[in-house]
Amino acid sequence: SYELTQPPSVSVSPGQTASITCSGDNLGDKYVSWYQQKPGQSPVLVIYRDTKRPSGIPERISGSNSGNTATLTITGTQAVDEADYYCQAWASRLYVFGSGTKVTVL
Amino acid sequence: EAQLEESGGGLVTPGGSLRLSCEASEFTFSTYAMNWVRQAPGKGLEWVSSIDSASNSIFYGDSVKGRFTISRDNAKNLLFLQMNSLRVEDTAVYFCARDSAEFDLWGQGTLVTVSS
Repeated sequence: SYELTQPPSVSVSPGQTASITCSGDNLGDKYVSWYQQKPGQSPVLVIYRDTKRPSGIPERISGSNSGNTATLTITGTQAVDEADYYCQAWASRLYVFGSGTKVTVL
Repeated sequence: EAQLEESGGGLVTPGGSLRLSCEASEFTFSTYAMNWVRQAPGKGLEWVSSIDSASNSIFYGDSVKGRFTISRDNAKNLLFLQMNSLRVEDTAVYFCARDSAEFDLWGQGTLVTVSS
């Protein structure tokens, strides 16, 4: 079955850039979505179709996807960005989520 | 404002059954595919099942195939998940999510606890 691999955690200082990777076989051939989830809340879509932002998502959040790796980048990280982030792709008639990355803003 | 609201969660013993519902409002439910996603306590998201707008295409994750059944009633704006032969490892918050090729709208979730 298809798997998406994310680092368990990423730490970043306020104002700096956080990069979260998501790896899978030929992931660049698929569309990747990213979700943000804060404790006790439902997930929120922050990136879809690799690079697109839904309305209301700040421009400091961006995405890319090439080769075997998709990346979510948060520039000028703020305290409100502290959350779990999950990548997602459609593969072989199944949706797959990555294992999730906890972003800590120190 | 478009919304999804799950219901039907609760405590059930192993081997038991439960039916979850998800009520959609303020959008044209009948034109969207829908999904169930679950999250075990302290764990990540796991996709469970999807159904297209007309119930013609249905898919399940390997962990629930043969035990869970997804369905919908477009006239009543309702999505369902019938869960049979429940196991302790099915304990999770179950979310319904609207599918626009990405999951752009989520409900608040309903907790299912499988325990003796």
